Amino acid sequence: AQSVTQLGSHVSVSEGALVLLRCNYSSSVPPYLFWYVQYPNQGLQLLLKYTSAATLVKGINGFEAEFKKSETSFHLTKPSAHMSDAAEYFCAVSGGSGGSQGNLIFGKGTKLSVKP
Amino acid sequence: EAQVTQNPRYLITVTGKKLTVTCSQNMNHEYMSWYRQDPGLGLRQIYYSMNVEVTDKGDVPEGYKVSRKEKRNFPLILESPSPNQTSLYFCASRLDSLLSNQPQHFGDGTRLSIL
Repeated sequence: AQSVTQLGSHVSVSEGALVLLRCNYSSSVPPYLFWYVQYPNQGLQLLLKYTSAATLVKGINGFEAEFKKSETSFHLTKPSAHMSDAAEYFCAVSGGSGGSQGNLIFGKGTKLSVKP
Repeated sequence: EAQVTQNPRYLITVTGKKLTVTCSQNMNHEYMSWYRQDPGLGLRQIYYSMNVEVTDKGDVPEGYKVSRKEKRNFPLILESPSPNQTSLYFCASRLDSLLSNQPQHFGDGTRLSIL
């Protein structure tokens, strides 16, 4: 069974500061990991994904995440926050092939606020 | 344009009045899924479908039905809606049912209010 824990339901940073959103997972099979972003009144948009290739994954809008198996973590970072980054971010895990293991399990989300 | 389309986007209705939320994708995706999003709980899967005529329960299926008669459509049915089904609903699809390393594509959501 898979699960995802996102530490911090709300994170606030100043414009230009580092963004760090934390995600820890548990999985009984090699995991596939995803970060999605949800802007107000919109659906979810894929930021980046880890699928067992490079452990450092680069995504859209300057975000990246590093898969650390020893820490079971997949934290999302961005060196310099922009006002347009204000949104809710979801970490998700899936694994295996077929059946329920292939379903996405989401964390509870982290709302990012960016102060001018 | 490749997309997942949900209708309606907003609906206010009353307890017990059957309703259907439609979902259609134009990407020839095998896998489709329904989620509900509630504050502080993230997204939870209601039902999923691996292909036409193949559906299965997710984590929170009580009170919902689905069908997959055609590859492109995956409607969500609430036979007798109750206030605890007030939520934001998302439909999503993925190209291959077996390749869970592929991302899912999401619709824009349907906000349901059951009075």
